[in-house]
Amino acid sequence: DVKVTQSSRYLVKRTGEKVFLECVQDMDHENMFWYRQDPGLGLRLIYFSYDVKMKEKGDIPEGYSVSREKKERFSLILESASTNQTSMYLCASSRIVAGGPETQYFGPGTRLLVL
Amino acid sequence: GENVEQHPSTLSVQEGDSAVIKCTYSDSASNYFPWYKQELGKGPQLIIDIRSNVGEKKDQRIAVTLNKTAKHFSLHITETQPEDSAVYFCAASWIKAAGNKLTFGGGTRVLVKP
Repeated sequence: DVKVTQSSRYLVKRTGEKVFLECVQDMDHENMFWYRQDPGLGLRLIYFSYDVKMKEKGDIPEGYSVSREKKERFSLILESASTNQTSMYLCASSRIVAGGPETQYFGPGTRLLVL
Repeated sequence: GENVEQHPSTLSVQEGDSAVIKCTYSDSASNYFPWYKQELGKGPQLIIDIRSNVGEKKDQRIAVTLNKTAKHFSLHITETQPEDSAVYFCAASWIKAAGNKLTFGGGTRVLVKP
């Protein structure tokens, strides 16, 4: 079974703090993704990565950065947390399948509250 | 870019009845349409998907239909059970050589009443 784990289930931070969210997958997947989930807005892609040290912006990258130093680990960084970044953050991974759909496997999420 | 709209946002059904969730997409290049189910406290999990060369796909009590001309697709759950209560997300993607980004709908919260 594919397993995607996220470092924290719940996190409370102060405005202006630097926040690190960690994601690890154990299936040697090439692709990794960070989404935020807000009611009524579904899942919105923040950043994704196709390979180690590679990153590409998603639909809402502002205020976030990412790091992928190892294939199994993808980190999301909030350089200076703001209250509008209070949300549920979901990490996902998938295998590259040439010519075919790539099923994304999700972690359980980190609920972040910025005060 | 792609835009996916999902309706309804909430759906309450009696156990044993059917549930239907509808999604529309904007980019005619999209050719892959997965549905994810998110149970309380968990991440979304793929339950069924369909590619644009197929009009309908069924897996036990769930089915998905696709109308490429109208650019909409639907999830049908028959004989609903309490364990079907969850949030469901539709998504659209363009399959390419590597790295398929999904665009998700806003989600539908389904409640199955016993």
